[in-house]
Amino acid sequence: DTGVSQDPRHKITKRGQNVTFRCDPISEHNRLYWYRQTLGQGPEFLTYFQNEAQLEKSRLLSDRFSAERPKGSFSTLEIQRTEQGDSAMYLCASSLSSSGYTFGSGTRLTVV
Amino acid sequence: AQTVTQSQPEMSVQEAETVTLSCTYDTSESNYYLFWYKQPPSRQMILVIRQEAYKQQNATENRFSVNFQKAAKSFSLKISDSQLGDTAMYFCAFMKHGASNTGKLIFGQGTTLQVKP
Repeated sequence: DTGVSQDPRHKITKRGQNVTFRCDPISEHNRLYWYRQTLGQGPEFLTYFQNEAQLEKSRLLSDRFSAERPKGSFSTLEIQRTEQGDSAMYLCASSLSSSGYTFGSGTRLTVV
Repeated sequence: AQTVTQSQPEMSVQEAETVTLSCTYDTSESNYYLFWYKQPPSRQMILVIRQEAYKQQNATENRFSVNFQKAAKSFSLKISDSQLGDTAMYFCAFMKHGASNTGKLIFGQGTTLQVKP
């Protein structure tokens, strides 16, 4: 297993467009997390899945954001009608227990 | 709500020297984990060291050790024999522990560490 994979690594989009990111966790990990990290800041929690169930969502996750994890495997994060304030690094992480994560390399989104 | 504060935005250290990064946190929880993560430039975040709050003994991982002061809610990271590869942004993070724990991490703002040759 090669760790947590995120695709794409970089995405440039025009304001108002929709974007979708994918995360492939470590195969045996049942927990999956999405975080958003703006430049020079610490990551902020967005949402958490245990298997296919989305169990927690941050209030940062506005109605333009939606995340899914069908069949408890890979996950997607979609942002509709992107705004310049959505420009950030979107990090995915997975874990088997609550005591340790493996992070992916992130998807850097630039909204122009 | 839990908060994590790193009051040193940037630090530098000469190669082979020792440096300490500070972190304070606020919580009403009694059982939790604390972490230090390293994020090298344009690379993924990796776990440096983890401390369980119920353990009095400070965690150590090779050149990395922590000073965990539960009463003071302080969790500093000491890097001994600094190496050029230690240059990165370092994040302190908090996680609640318990049956209802979702594993959500609360991160500090980060400290950028530069190791100089």
